[in-house]
Amino acid sequence: QVQLVESGGGVVQPGASLRLSCAASGFAFPGYAMHWVRRAPGKGLEWVALIWYDGSKTYYTDSVTGRFIISRDNSKSTLYLQMNSLRVEDTAVYYCARDLHSRFCDYWGQGTLVTVSS
Amino acid sequence: EIVLTQSPATLSLSPGEGATLSCRASQNIGIYLAWYQQKPGQAPRLLIYDASNRATGIPARFSGGGSGTDFTLTISSLEPEDFAVYYCQQRSNWPLTFGGGTKVAIK
Repeated sequence: QVQLVESGGGVVQPGASLRLSCAASGFAFPGYAMHWVRRAPGKGLEWVALIWYDGSKTYYTDSVTGRFIISRDNSKSTLYLQMNSLRVEDTAVYYCARDLHSRFCDYWGQGTLVTVSS
Repeated sequence: EIVLTQSPATLSLSPGEGATLSCRASQNIGIYLAWYQQKPGQAPRLLIYDASNRATGIPARFSGGGSGTDFTLTISSLEPEDFAVYYCQQRSNWPLTFGGGTKVAIK
């Protein structure tokens, strides 16, 4: 069965960096694009980034462009999100999700909490 | 950026009743809309994609419709497990965007 397990969340100060990981299993990871989506406390879902199946293309929401980098290691079936210059408003549960070959997300992990606070 | 506006913000209904949720796009997105369900402490779950296609394993009581700028998610008869928050998402333009959500609450 498809499994996505996020890790790397924690509490950091504004301006700090953090790298999230998402370990995938149960499917042919190199054949799928992957997303990061977040949900801030008390708010709705916000799409963050997508990476092509081979890593050749990446897309970001405007608020993280230039600060976050999505990447993947297909040999390890792992997705990453490097988050730099973190802001208080980046506080959220971060989910990784598999792409349904359509820019919709068909399988999701349980999420990892990132808290940015001074 | 395409803005998705969901209404109502909260829908208070009883089990067995029908529910109709709305999602309006700020510009034409064709049929490129999905619906997700999220329960507290759980990951979102894909229900409908490309406006009207049920995802794998989704019960027939969930149906989606619409095109262009106006979309609906209909739950024909609410089961206890359907009380949750529902989000729409568009894939027509970058960046991908979600609506603000509709909470279906028990009356």
